[in-house]
Amino acid sequence: AQTVTQSQPEMSVQEAETVTLSCTYDTSENNYYLFWYKQPPSRQMILVIRQEAYKQQNATENRFSVNFQKAAKSFSLKISDSQLGDTAMYFCALTEGGKLIFGQGTELSVKP
Amino acid sequence: DAGVIQSPRHEVTEMGQEVTLRCKPISGHDYLFWYRQTMMRGLELLIYFNNNVPIDDSGMPEDRFSAKMPNASFSTLKIQPSEPRDSAVYFCASSFRTGWGNEQFFGPGTRLTVL
Repeated sequence: AQTVTQSQPEMSVQEAETVTLSCTYDTSENNYYLFWYKQPPSRQMILVIRQEAYKQQNATENRFSVNFQKAAKSFSLKISDSQLGDTAMYFCALTEGGKLIFGQGTELSVKP
Repeated sequence: DAGVIQSPRHEVTEMGQEVTLRCKPISGHDYLFWYRQTMMRGLELLIYFNNNVPIDDSGMPEDRFSAKMPNASFSTLKIQPSEPRDSAVYFCASSFRTGWGNEQFFGPGTRLTVL
């Protein structure tokens, strides 16, 4: 069975600093996709960034970037220049067929 | 587009009552997903549809849960009878041409409380 593990239940960072959220996964598939979703207090789920497993280049979206290590099955999210609006739960997710398998989430607090 | 629409946003009911949650996917999307979020179990997929046909309902917890998609613009998730352990936030999401690499767009969720 495919699994996604986020080992950091909570993290905090000072505004304008950089923070990295960890995610590891397990899958027997060779081609798959990985995602980071953000859930702010409004509870709306918002896609932050996605990575295709067959692409070696790490995905980047403005202040958000990933470190994708396929052999190690690791998919970390780096947030640069953290902003107060980045405060949220962050979920790592893996596709299984048409389904998303989510990790347990990391609650990130950005402090002024 | 208004995004995925769910109703109601909040539902409080008593144990044993029937509960119906509703979802309108984004127009043109052919996949629809129902998720449940709890503190204990996190986010878990209950069922998903492709072109109104249920594809995988292995996440549906038990026979008390049922889901339908009578047309491309409407889906329901029904719990009958409801139990306190069903209390959770239920999300509906939709996507175009599978969730493989395409973004799933989530609705705002329905917070269900069963007393």
